[in-house]
Amino acid sequence: KNEVEQSPQNLTAQEGEFITINCSYSVGISALHWLQQHPGGGIVSLFMLSSGKKKHGRLIATINIQEKHSSLHITASHPRDSAVYICAVLKGTASKLTFGTGTRLQVTL
Amino acid sequence: GAVVSQHPSWVICKSGTSVKIECRSLDFQATTMFWYRQFPKQSLMLMATSNEGSKATYEQGVEKDKFLINHASLTLSTLTVTSAHPEDSSFYICSARDFSGRAYEQYFGPGTRLTVT
Repeated sequence: KNEVEQSPQNLTAQEGEFITINCSYSVGISALHWLQQHPGGGIVSLFMLSSGKKKHGRLIATINIQEKHSSLHITASHPRDSAVYICAVLKGTASKLTFGTGTRLQVTL
Repeated sequence: GAVVSQHPSWVICKSGTSVKIECRSLDFQATTMFWYRQFPKQSLMLMATSNEGSKATYEQGVEKDKFLINHASLTLSTLTVTSAHPEDSSFYICSARDFSGRAYEQYFGPGTRLTVT
């Protein structure tokens, strides 16, 4: 079993829909990252969380340390949100990230 | 926000030649940089951790003589793929950790697509 699990693996939504991507992890962490990778390959760091909730534009990320779970929400989704979303955690005092397998999101008109 | 650049963004080379990829932190100092490779539809795989002024730490299974990493300054790390072969064709991504003391802030470069013919 992977230390970082994401669900769903694939997600198709219509423009305007509210989207939730989940990340569960089984180890103690010091921080969790949400990353976005577009088809061209480049990775953008969306959020870094160690507790609570963060919001940036239409994106919201939450984390529950006790439940070892984080969610990424996209409000009013748009085709340009189509990408792979990756959850990655920093375990304890380590500097290396452990990655989830990613969620492939396709938003259609 | 912090910016990490990579050069080149894509490269095609012939089998047997060497290719150098640069990773630069543009507006911050990075004591630590990480090199990843990614095959199509797979997650990132950490290849090595590069600390400024010291030897890189390679992950298990990564050939250090084939993937040479140099981190000569706080803003530049290079990955050289030596004697490249078609199986080295992949997407190579670096990330850099901010020197400012926020231990878990990492910023990713845009990646370099390597094709070996």
